[in-house]
Amino acid sequence: DSGVTQTPKHLITATGQRVTLRCSPRSGDLSVYWYQQSLDQGLQFLIQYYNGEERAKGNILERFSAQQFPDLHSELNLSSLELGDSALYFCASSRTVVSGNTIYFGEGSWLTVV
Amino acid sequence: DAKTTQPNSMESNEEEPVHLPCNHSTISGTDYIHWYRQLPSQGPEYVIHGLTSNVNNRMASLAIAEDRKSSTLILHRATLRDAAVYYCILRGANSGYSTLTFGKGTMLLVSP
Repeated sequence: DSGVTQTPKHLITATGQRVTLRCSPRSGDLSVYWYQQSLDQGLQFLIQYYNGEERAKGNILERFSAQQFPDLHSELNLSSLELGDSALYFCASSRTVVSGNTIYFGEGSWLTVV
Repeated sequence: DAKTTQPNSMESNEEEPVHLPCNHSTISGTDYIHWYRQLPSQGPEYVIHGLTSNVNNRMASLAIAEDRKSSTLILHRATLRDAAVYYCILRGANSGYSTLTFGKGTMLLVSP
């Protein structure tokens, strides 16, 4: 158990809908990362937050947005869903943004768009 | 971030040592070498990381070449549970945000 908690574990929704994925980082971790993993793309970095502020953006679509709240939990919002958005979405956390810090991953949220 | 090169797959027998190589010829002086592994349908799991010196922990050892252009992850006695995709990742101190950029990794197959 990494200490990173993601909900829901599984989600099935229809095209055009909107969903919110939730992440609670490890206790004391200030930085949160979101990754997407689909069969054909591998693990893709989406976005990073540190202490409530956006720190880095990766391959995140405009239909997706995220935020980190004062209690440090984070949410990833996916809207106007398409079939191609079906993937595993991972949240990860680390104590700071120093590159020597370890990043711990949650178990992921399986999103299926039908 | 600098890139790494790993073999697509490797095979091992249970209870034998496994040496997983990684080449990173363009590594910069402040890049940390991180290893993660991922079992099917699970989140990536931290294995080990290092900067210049060899490192040991309860899961594995990391041997770093003197010129730092390559490294080897060593699993001392492979078990069936070690069958996973292993990712060697460079994480730069100067990138400003130091996320992890995953490549394709090495799929390790362990036979009983």
